Amino acid sequence: DQQVKQNSPSLSVQEGRISILNCDYTNSMFDYFLWYKKYPAEGPTFLISISSIKDKNEDGRFTVFLNKSAKHLSLHIVPSQPGDSAVYFCAAPLTQGGSEKLVFGKGMKLTVNP
Amino acid sequence: DAGVTQSPTHLIKTRGQQVTLRCSPISGHKSVSWYQQVLGQGPQFIFQYYEKEERGRGNFPDRFSARQFPNYSSELNVNALLLGDSALYLCASSLLGFYEQYFGPGTRLTVT
Repeated sequence: DQQVKQNSPSLSVQEGRISILNCDYTNSMFDYFLWYKKYPAEGPTFLISISSIKDKNEDGRFTVFLNKSAKHLSLHIVPSQPGDSAVYFCAAPLTQGGSEKLVFGKGMKLTVNP
Repeated sequence: DAGVTQSPTHLIKTRGQQVTLRCSPISGHKSVSWYQQVLGQGPQFIFQYYEKEERGRGNFPDRFSARQFPNYSSELNVNALLLGDSALYLCASSLLGFYEQYFGPGTRLTVT
């Protein structure tokens, strides 16, 4: 049961253009979302987050948009740089039955071409 | 400051064996979580420990166990290894809970 879905496994863009990474979720109890970036042979690195009380959060070249009614969020990278090439994961914390866990999507591989 | 460290980096085990993976959190971080990442999938939550107590457990069999030490380092143990346990095991630490977790580089476990 995939509660956080990243339906596109990969995306390729040209340097300087916008990259848009999408994420859908099914659990209405999610109230906070995080994006992580992962390079090969490294652990995921926290990138940006958004609370459900907001619909946008911006940090430099990275902006995350949240559409609660559609249960959809997206990460925009502008302008894209070759160093942004990595796998990006969307994640959400979930508290259930006294247990806390972080639920990840399958990830999307972004390739930024020079 | 040192980030999250994990050891060993790579490990090859045989089916039925037992394995122990180790994690040292960022200094000052009291929460440690363990994840399993199978190729092509996102990390799957296994355990969270905070102040040496288990705070969360994912949908993994009892062959998986963990503990946290007084210095907040942690061990993940897997008994009776199966081929399907082959994966990247990630450790993450944070000051509190799940927000802005910092991940280590992972331990690549191969079960043959």
